[in-house]
Amino acid sequence: EPEVTQTPSHQVTQMGQEVILRCVPISNHLYFYWYRQILGQKVEFLVSFYNNEISEKSEIFDDQFSVERPDGSNFTLKIRSTKLEDSAMYFCATRDRNYNEQFFGPGTRLTVL
Amino acid sequence: SQQGEEDPQALSIQEGENATMNCSYKTSINNLQWYRQNSGRGLVHLILIRSNEREKHSGRLRVTLDTSKKSSSLLITASRAADTASYFCADNFGNEKLTFGTGTRLTIIP
Repeated sequence: EPEVTQTPSHQVTQMGQEVILRCVPISNHLYFYWYRQILGQKVEFLVSFYNNEISEKSEIFDDQFSVERPDGSNFTLKIRSTKLEDSAMYFCATRDRNYNEQFFGPGTRLTVL
Repeated sequence: SQQGEEDPQALSIQEGENATMNCSYKTSINNLQWYRQNSGRGLVHLILIRSNEREKHSGRLRVTLDTSKKSSSLLITASRAADTASYFCADNFGNEKLTFGTGTRLTIIP
């Protein structure tokens, strides 16, 4: 069964450093999303991406965040200057244009020191 | 607020028993999805129920939807130790983003 994959599984970085989280969507899925989950809290929406542009973003998704699909397969989330409060699990999700189900990847655990 | 609330927050049952968890919203449900999350892991999609559906089955899972009460229930029958996880409901309310509930932590006691 096709799966969403994410790399790395765990990223440790120093405050102020840039990180790039990568996602490989399910083939033929055209809608892409990033969510995050701070330890012990709800899963929160960050951004949705379709047709090479952001379709919706949350208040969390400020100027420090960006997304792109650089090569038509990977979907990336960049955090330019990480803060301690960016420590969380980051999930990529994708969906097919004809269905509403969003399928999630295994997540990247980001730890900012 | 559109945020979903699951109930109970935590549930412990004996293996083989049925587990029921509920999800409610303050606004109308659109495409309610249930997910499972094992500790520290990703979200596994379980089932989606649309606003015009009342019940849906998938294996040992049964989901019901009561639009008048803006609530949904997930029933897991004949529970197994491997069902131990957190269960979340989420809806998109006609938007792209999913709004997740607070989750029910289910523990199956062998």
